[in-house]
Amino acid sequence: QLQLQESGPGVVRPSETLSLTCTISGDSVNRRNYNWAWIRQPPGKGLEWIGSIVYSGGTFYNPSLRSRVTISVDTSRSQLSLKLTSVTAADTAVYFCARDQNGGSCPDWGQGTLVTVSS
Amino acid sequence: QSALTQPPSASGSPGQSVTISCTGTSSDVGGYNYVSWYQQLPGKAPKLLIYDVTKRPSGVPDRFSGSKSGNSASLTVSGLQAEDEADYYCSSYVGANNAHVIFGGGTKLTVL
Repeated sequence: QLQLQESGPGVVRPSETLSLTCTISGDSVNRRNYNWAWIRQPPGKGLEWIGSIVYSGGTFYNPSLRSRVTISVDTSRSQLSLKLTSVTAADTAVYFCARDQNGGSCPDWGQGTLVTVSS
Repeated sequence: QSALTQPPSASGSPGQSVTISCTGTSSDVGGYNYVSWYQQLPGKAPKLLIYDVTKRPSGVPDRFSGSKSGNSASLTVSGLQAEDEADYYCSSYVGANNAHVIFGGGTKLTVL
């Protein structure tokens, strides 16, 4: 059973960089058919796809966030990471990591972590 | 890229069927068979109900079914049960130069 757990600071100051880690257990993060994604949800609002990384290392980002987002995988640590630069209050959200089996279908999710952008 | 269009709310009585629509464009829903549906209970992570338009992951009841026609996809919940009350989201792959995924705005399903 694949398990994902997000971690990182709960509060980030405006204009700084949001950095989150997703620790993956129960299976190998390096399996050839596994892709990984970050998705967020502002309080009381809908889901927003941030981006994904495929097993070959290629990345796909939401065009509205592309200039500020970096997603990477550390296979030696079985960790997925997210970096979002120059954050504002609009980036306040619950951030989820997930396994993307194909085309945006995610059967496995972390529980999510709330990040608040505030000074 | 705008979000996919879903009705903000839907409702039905126990035992009835409800259909939730998800409208996009030829660049997303209409162009690819990569439409997914998720159920989200309050305070929980989304749960995958349908993928590749019509496929159900193991463990998802066959009361949940998906379809697509043109630029619109639909989720049908048959034999409504109280525990089906939740938020439902569709998503679609968006192809071309800047490939990514977009979600619908979500539909709150109320079981009367």
